[in-house]
Amino acid sequence: GNSVTQMEGPVTLSEEAFLTINCTYTATGYPSLFWYVQYPGEGLQLLLKATKADDKGSNKGFEATYRKETTSFHLEKGSVQVSDSAVYFCALSDRGSGAGSYQLTFGKGTKLSVIP
Amino acid sequence: EAQVTQNPRYLITVTGKKLTVTCSQNMNHEYMSWYRQDPGLGLRQIYYSMNVEVTDKGDVPEGYKVSRKEKRNFPLILESPSPNQTSLYFCASSSQDRGGRNSPLHFGNGTRLTVT
Repeated sequence: GNSVTQMEGPVTLSEEAFLTINCTYTATGYPSLFWYVQYPGEGLQLLLKATKADDKGSNKGFEATYRKETTSFHLEKGSVQVSDSAVYFCALSDRGSGAGSYQLTFGKGTKLSVIP
Repeated sequence: EAQVTQNPRYLITVTGKKLTVTCSQNMNHEYMSWYRQDPGLGLRQIYYSMNVEVTDKGDVPEGYKVSRKEKRNFPLILESPSPNQTSLYFCASSSQDRGGRNSPLHFGNGTRLTVT
């Protein structure tokens, strides 16, 4: 079956530091890849996505590149802010088996804390 | 405003007392899903629905029921709650294109359930 492995947190960084959160996946076929972000007390929001190999998703200064050869989708940001403090989830979607089915598999989440 | 609305946000109940968590979306999405979020385990899918009157089990369906009588609503029912169902629950929805590919999920803000 499909699986997503992301680095365990928590991760604590100073403001303006460089951020990398590693994510690797196992999937059959050609999944789409996502990063979701969960701010305190809220549901998950889509941060960025990539639907095929070598695609780069980007949003709010965050980037991730779909690397099929290493089955990875690492999240990066050049200069984090206090407002980036949240839990980040890597996820993949697959058509699954059977017509019309849909599978979305999440990693366990990485908590990021950015201190001034 | 496009949104997924869950109610209640917080619920404390006792073992065995039936409860329902409501979920409603105003985006005319075909796909809806319930997840539970637990520390160290990430998000796990409970049930999902591809369309009205079509529901299927996710990864952790035991102890839960769902129904999809209308497109906009997807309630989660706990017939006899137990303490191991204490968790943070999220409802989510997405649309599907003609090729059956899903858009990224829209999440509700969560329901924190405590069963004593």
